[in-house]
Amino acid sequence: GENVEQHPSTLSVQEGDSAVIKCTYSDSASNYFPWYKQELGKRPQLIIDIRSNVGEKKDQRIAVTLNKTAKHFSLHITETQPEDSAVYFCAASRSGGSNYKLTFGKGTLLTVNP
Amino acid sequence: EAGVVQSPRYKIIEKKQPVAFWCNPISGHNTLYWYLQNLGQGPELLIRYENEEAVDDSQLPKDRFSAERLKGVDSTLKIQPAELGDSAVYLCASSLGAGELFFGEGSRLTVL
Repeated sequence: GENVEQHPSTLSVQEGDSAVIKCTYSDSASNYFPWYKQELGKRPQLIIDIRSNVGEKKDQRIAVTLNKTAKHFSLHITETQPEDSAVYFCAASRSGGSNYKLTFGKGTLLTVNP
Repeated sequence: EAGVVQSPRYKIIEKKQPVAFWCNPISGHNTLYWYLQNLGQGPELLIRYENEEAVDDSQLPKDRFSAERLKGVDSTLKIQPAELGDSAVYLCASSLGAGELFFGEGSRLTVL
């Protein structure tokens, strides 16, 4: 089955700096890669996703890049703010771009220091 | 619009006791998922329903776990008997078909 590795497990940055979280996946047939944000004690929420026919996608301060050859994808957060502090999970799915069979990484605890 | 609602939010039980979690998905969402989230880990799929049919329960430990979604709306996940290793957060999620997952707040189980 699919295996998703996520690094780093913890990341601390100063407010205004950029943060990058990286994930690798094992199944070359995976074609859908969402990112979820989970604040402490809250539900995971989708923040951005990318499909395998696209190399990069941006939404304001958040961007995701995908390298299918290397089987890795990354989340980039620019101009970080304290409210960006949370656990971020990457995920991968091979089910025709659907959410049916998502495999999640172990998460990255991002702390943005004011 | 109300999101996915789960109850109870917290449950503490002794080992070997039964426990049940309830989930009410977003109205109109035909797909419902139960995920297990251990501390410091990402969610892991236990079971997926399409309407009232369990279409993927390959990761559900069927010796002690059971789930149902009788009328294709609300769902219940049961553990009987609970073991110490079952302590975790049980997340319910729903989606419209294969679309975006919307998670509930989760039910945190502590087994003593």
